[in-house]
Amino acid sequence: NAGVTQTPKFRVLKTGQSMTLLCAQDMNHEYMYWYRQDPGMGLRLIHYSVGEGTTAKGEVPDGYNVSRLKKQNFLLGLESAAPSQTSVYFCASSPSGVQYFGPGTRLTVT
Amino acid sequence: GEDVEQSLFLSVREGDSSVINCTYTDSSSTYLYWYKQEPGAGLQLLTYIFSNMDMKQDQRLTVLLNKKDKHLSLRIADTQTGDSAIYFCAESANSGNTPLVFGKGTRLSVIA
Repeated sequence: NAGVTQTPKFRVLKTGQSMTLLCAQDMNHEYMYWYRQDPGMGLRLIHYSVGEGTTAKGEVPDGYNVSRLKKQNFLLGLESAAPSQTSVYFCASSPSGVQYFGPGTRLTVT
Repeated sequence: GEDVEQSLFLSVREGDSSVINCTYTDSSSTYLYWYKQEPGAGLQLLTYIFSNMDMKQDQRLTVLLNKKDKHLSLRIADTQTGDSAIYFCAESANSGNTPLVFGKGTRLSVIA
């Protein structure tokens, strides 16, 4: 079991560029989540999914889109990156309650 | 909305006990969690407690829950330098399938 994996680990973008972050889990979990972590802010929920084909907004969804076409994958998209989106992004999955986290993606937008 | 509060920093000497405190506002919180984050890594689940429990012990870790005061604590006995990390308290309501609400994390520094 690889658990929760995230691709890429690091990325630098210029303002206005787009990119997609991939989260994959091999534990057959129903629930998946995207968070961002900023210094002094803890973890803030961006979007989440309660099953294949479903998505919902979290606390800070603006500027991001998500898709869950397959149960094992949860994609986070930035259509037009802004410096305010410089952050560490964590994906998590859950069967029920306990969430299991990926190692994170460090994104810098210049 | 729900809120989870933690102190930001704690410093202890190696071998002493550490106590990290957390308060939450949601009275319907059903599950309360402690996660550990080491530098450059993701969050690792340490332990969790159901709201119908007062205490849970797991090796060096003791979790105490005061539901009346909405106060959760994590005690680490015989703290080691490897325990230096950020510790996050989190809660979820209802069945536990709702998204977690995290505190901002407590940075524990262990002095040798």
